[in-house]
Amino acid sequence: GNSVTQMEGPVTLSEEAFLTINCTYTATGYPSLFWYVQYPGEGLQLLLKATKADDKGSNKGFEATYRKETTSFHLEKGSVQVSDSAVYFCALRGSSASKIIFGSGTRLSIRP
Amino acid sequence: NAGVTQTPKFQVLKTGQSMTLQCAQDMNHEYMSWYRQDPGMGLRLIHYSVGAGITDQGEVPNGYNVSRSTTEDFPLRLLSAAPSQTSVYFCASRGEGAGNTEAFFGQGTRLTVV
Repeated sequence: GNSVTQMEGPVTLSEEAFLTINCTYTATGYPSLFWYVQYPGEGLQLLLKATKADDKGSNKGFEATYRKETTSFHLEKGSVQVSDSAVYFCALRGSSASKIIFGSGTRLSIRP
Repeated sequence: NAGVTQTPKFQVLKTGQSMTLQCAQDMNHEYMSWYRQDPGMGLRLIHYSVGAGITDQGEVPNGYNVSRSTTEDFPLRLLSAAPSQTSVYFCASRGEGAGNTEAFFGQGTRLTVV
């Protein structure tokens, strides 16, 4: 079945550091891939998405590229801010599925 | 536009009590689902629905019931609460069609069973 594996946390960085959170997936066909973010005390919000191979999703300075050859969708940001502190979830929806499958989440903390 | 609304935000139950977590969406979405979030385990799917009158089990359905009598509402029932059901519960909805790939989430219900 479909599954998502993402980098375990917590991850702690200094402000303005470069961020990478790894995500790999297992799925048949051509799934849609997502990164969701959860700020403290809130629900999940969509951060970015990509629906086909080689697509790049981007939002708020974050980027992720759908790599079918490596089955990966790594999240990157060139210069993180304290306000980026949150839990980040990689997720996928199979091409013929109604369910969205989530990774275990990565907690990110940014030091001023 | 309210999106996905969950009530209550917080609840404490005694073991063996029953309760219903409410979820409503005003986006006319066909797909709705319930997840639970536990530390280190991400989000696990409890039940989901692809339309009014249709429900199915997710990864961790035991101890929970759902129904979908209208498009808007998707309540989650705990018939006899257990401490293992202490968790944060999220309801999500999504529209149909190739362009509606993302899910929209409610703010969550933090449930403690003592």
